[in-house]
Amino acid sequence: NAGVTQTPKFRVLKTGQSMTLLCAQDMNHEYMYWYRQDPGMGLRLIHYSVGEGTTAKGEVPDGYNVSRLKKQNFLLGLESAAPSQTSVYFCASSYNSGSPPYEQYFGPGTRLTVT
Amino acid sequence: GNSVTQMEGPVTLSEEAFLTINCTYTATGYPSLFWYVQYPGEGLQLLLKATKADDKGSNKGFEATYRKETTSFHLEKGSVQVSDSAVYFCAEGGSNYKLTFGKGTLLTVNP
Repeated sequence: NAGVTQTPKFRVLKTGQSMTLLCAQDMNHEYMYWYRQDPGMGLRLIHYSVGEGTTAKGEVPDGYNVSRLKKQNFLLGLESAAPSQTSVYFCASSYNSGSPPYEQYFGPGTRLTVT
Repeated sequence: GNSVTQMEGPVTLSEEAFLTINCTYTATGYPSLFWYVQYPGEGLQLLLKATKADDKGSNKGFEATYRKETTSFHLEKGSVQVSDSAVYFCAEGGSNYKLTFGKGTLLTVNP
């Protein structure tokens, strides 16, 4: 099993450009999450999904959109990138057997720089 | 809302030293508590967890005890190794599928 994979690993964007980050998991997990990690801020939840076709806002959703068209994929979009979105982005997924909260499995991250 | 506060780093220790990283939480009810570790250039991975008061989570020589009376979940290891150098995150989770993470503590272990 590959676990949680993220594409791309690195990206540099100019202000105003758009891009999509792809997260894929092969563990048949129901729940998926997008976080951003910034120095001194820890991990902050951007959006999450509790199943195919459903998404919800997290702590810092502004400037981002997400889609979960297939159970194994969770896409994070930036329509008009801003320098404040320079960060490391992590995707995570979790199973839903038993009672929450559930252990989250993380991808290796995408380092995004917006100039 | 819920929050997690962990000691600020960086923490620098010599090999075989004793490690404590403090973590306290604010949450209603009885959340589950976690420690995650992030090695350089990698994503987070679960180190240990505890789901109810007085539970002790342990893994790879690390331990943490869920203390309801002090709302704490301090991470300890009796003898650290260079390979333990990483960022450690404390997290809490309730019944809504989401986890709340602390800001992370950078640990550097020197030979």
